[in-house]
Amino acid sequence: KAGVTQTPRYLIKTRGQQVTLSCSPISGHRSVSWYQQTPGQGLQFLFEYFSETQRNKGNFPGRFSGRQFSNSRSEMNVSTLELGDSALYLCASSLWQGDSPLHFGNGTRLTVT
Amino acid sequence: DAKTTQPPSMDCAEGRAANLPCNHSTISGNEYVYWYRQIHSQGPQYIIHGLKNNETNEMASLIITEDRKSSTLILPHATLRDTAVYYCIVRVSGNAGNMLTFGGGTRLMVKP
Repeated sequence: KAGVTQTPRYLIKTRGQQVTLSCSPISGHRSVSWYQQTPGQGLQFLFEYFSETQRNKGNFPGRFSGRQFSNSRSEMNVSTLELGDSALYLCASSLWQGDSPLHFGNGTRLTVT
Repeated sequence: DAKTTQPPSMDCAEGRAANLPCNHSTISGNEYVYWYRQIHSQGPQYIIHGLKNNETNEMASLIITEDRKSSTLILPHATLRDTAVYYCIVRVSGNAGNMLTFGGGTRLMVKP
């Protein structure tokens, strides 16, 4: 079974631009969550989607948004990029039931210059 | 979710067992213990999880104390490829969501 796929793998953007990252979950997984990883803050929860609805949201500004499609694929968008948005953005999928674990993709490394 | 405490770093000789401790003294009755590891520039990899019984899979064993306030991840025969940051996380089961709270983890260095 294919794992979580994130595209693109690397991205370089300029301050003020916006960016869209894509995530394809493991087949059958309906929950998709996003995390940001930086050297200073570690891994931090951004938001989670299930059945095309945002279920939980972390403590990030409104510039960070996301959505989920009917096939469970998800995108996250960051508008008006700042230098501090440079990070590894990780997507994880799960079955959303019981104690089923999250499975992570290898992330998109975003560099803002 | 309950907080966890892990040593920041550990060393282990190749071929020996690596025992990674985790303290979760405020864990609730419905919270599971999950272990992930992250190799540089990759996403976290799920290893194992448990509620109160000891668990074993092809990657590792998880030993949870009877009072559930601490646990140990055991890699029985560590290899150089097991060098990674290991995260211990506690999480409520059920449909409460997937907001995992990652701490600093333990950086395990396996040495030849």
